Amino acid sequence: DSGVTQTPKHLITATGQRVTLRCSPRSGDLSVYWYQQSLDQGLQFLIQYYNGEERAKGNILERFSAQQFPDLHSELNLSSLELGDSALYFCASSVGTGGNEQFFGPGTRLTVL
Amino acid sequence: GQNIDQPTEMTATEGAIVQINCTYQTSGFNGLFWYQQHAGEAPTFLSYNVLDGLEEKGRFSSFLSRSKGYSYLLLKELQMKDSASYLCALETNAGKSTFGDGTTLTVKP
Repeated sequence: DSGVTQTPKHLITATGQRVTLRCSPRSGDLSVYWYQQSLDQGLQFLIQYYNGEERAKGNILERFSAQQFPDLHSELNLSSLELGDSALYFCASSVGTGGNEQFFGPGTRLTVL
Repeated sequence: GQNIDQPTEMTATEGAIVQINCTYQTSGFNGLFWYQQHAGEAPTFLSYNVLDGLEEKGRFSSFLSRSKGYSYLLLKELQMKDSASYLCALETNAGKSTFGDGTTLTVKP
């Protein structure tokens, strides 16, 4: 158990819908990272937050957005869902902003039908 | 870009040593991560190299050569539970990580 929690574990929805994935970092970690893992694209970095502020951005689609709240939990919002958005979404946390061990949550498996 | 190349698959025998290579092309990065990921599970951190050289941690060691654009993960005394995917990732100065496609290691008795 990494100490990072993600909800829900599984999510099945339809194209065009919007979903919110939630992540609670390990106690004491200030950074939260979001990743997408699909079979054809491997693990892709989406975005990083540090202490409530956006710190780094990867190839995150405009239909996707995220935020980190004052209690340090984070949410990833995915809208206008497409079939290709079906993937495992991981959240990870670390103490600092870079070069630190990242602890991954168990992931949310999103299926878009 | 940061083209990262790893072998797709490797097979090794229990008790043996295996080296998983990672080559990359990039203009600059902070450090290089190695992660282990068992099928259906989340990645777990193995190592982070900033400086050139070898870093040893138990049965696992990781090596980095910035001038050669090359890293490797060395696994000693292989166990069946080491069968997993091993991901190499570059962390850029901007704080984001770019991952290789991973190497699936199968350990056979």
